[in-house]
Amino acid sequence: GIQVEQSPPDLILQEGANSTLRCNFSDSVNNLQWFHQNPWGQLINLFYIPSGTKQNGRLSATTVATERYSLLYISSSQTTDSGVYFCAVDNYGQNFVFGPGTRLSVLP
Amino acid sequence: NAGVTQTPKFRVLKTGQSMTLLCAQDMNHEYMYWYRQDPGMGLRLIHYSVGEGTTAKGEVPDGYNVSRLKKQNFLLGLESAAPSQTSVYFCASSYSAFGEGQDSYEQYFGPGTRLTVT
Repeated sequence: GIQVEQSPPDLILQEGANSTLRCNFSDSVNNLQWFHQNPWGQLINLFYIPSGTKQNGRLSATTVATERYSLLYISSSQTTDSGVYFCAVDNYGQNFVFGPGTRLSVLP
Repeated sequence: NAGVTQTPKFRVLKTGQSMTLLCAQDMNHEYMYWYRQDPGMGLRLIHYSVGEGTTAKGEVPDGYNVSRLKKQNFLLGLESAAPSQTSVYFCASSYSAFGEGQDSYEQYFGPGTRLTVT
């Protein structure tokens, strides 16, 4: 099945800093989503982005499908950005595969 | 529009007991999914449904059964709970995995059910 890797596994930032999270996947995909899981366990949809670039406020994402990776950019980070960021993909197999996540801690 | 809801939010079971988790969605989505999330890990697919009356196995189906009698509801059952099933369970739905238009593949998640089996 499709493999998903995320890097870095852990990231500590000072409030106001910028960061880039990466998701690599092993096969072509028709669905790629980025999620934020907050400290209370709630999964929040950030982007649906199987290809191209999207922006939403301080967050943006780019997926280069031909090279099988996606990047999530967080600018001017805030303490509320803390949590785990997951990338998940599907390749027509009806099996949405999650990566292991990047744990982000933003310090005040 | 409540999106995806799950009942209950928390549950503690003893080994061997049974229970059913309910997922409901009000977005008229065709596809529904059940996942489990173990500590420090991503979500893994248990079972899914591509429409009313249909179900299929995901990555980790053993010990679970599901039913989709109504389009808006997807039930996850544990017939004989085991400590290894202690986890957080998430339900999700999407319009269609093979629908028209890019956004039809997007999955929407419920708030989760925290289950402890002692």
